[in-house]
Amino acid sequence: GAGVSQSPSNKVTEKGKDVELRCDPISGHTALYWYRQSLGQGLEFLIYFQGNSAPDKSGLPSDRFSAERTGGSVSTLTIQRTQQEDSAVYLCASSPGHGLTTEAFFGQGTRLTVV
Amino acid sequence: AQSVTQLGSHVSVSEGALVLLRCNYSSSVPPYLFWYVQYPNQGLQLLLKYTTGATLVKGINGFEAEFKKSETSFHLTKPSAHMSDAAEYFCAVSEPGGGNKLTFGTGTQLKVEL
Repeated sequence: GAGVSQSPSNKVTEKGKDVELRCDPISGHTALYWYRQSLGQGLEFLIYFQGNSAPDKSGLPSDRFSAERTGGSVSTLTIQRTQQEDSAVYLCASSPGHGLTTEAFFGQGTRLTVV
Repeated sequence: AQSVTQLGSHVSVSEGALVLLRCNYSSSVPPYLFWYVQYPNQGLQLLLKYTTGATLVKGINGFEAEFKKSETSFHLTKPSAHMSDAAEYFCAVSEPGGGNKLTFGTGTQLKVEL
């Protein structure tokens, strides 16, 4: 596609349920990032995938959060046993590589509301 | 560890006036610096970035920023605000070799008034 695509755009879930958020990066981009944007916390890094390397999971807030990237392309962020504090906009970004001459392109995000 | 401070969560300017959005950073190594803009209901878009070389960086839509190492600052400016500049602006840093992993400031909402 032309840009980073995220689905769903909005998700309302009940506390305690699991949710999966999907990110389709720009074709050919080897690097993929997940961020969370919430009121009062700003934008927080969650996880970073680069090619076939082990992902950098240093930003995941708890073991309820996990992410995978299949075939070096699509990524899924899974939140288990959702809590109200998980309510936020989850942003995905991709870039052609990890060099700093490249730019990270962001999707429009998935707005998650836990009720 | 890196951190970014954006002074003023909300800034209001008149159309045609100077825009100045402040960003200060803390980093143990010389960082790479970025400004992103987020228009309502849209994703983040890169305005400009500093990696190496000239410390005055020009970006899209007439914005520019200057890296001042002595002040650990990377303030964003535009000489003349336009109504279309109303958006939220985020300053971010990354560590060289850190793979574009960004640490963001809390953002500044820019309002442009007639």
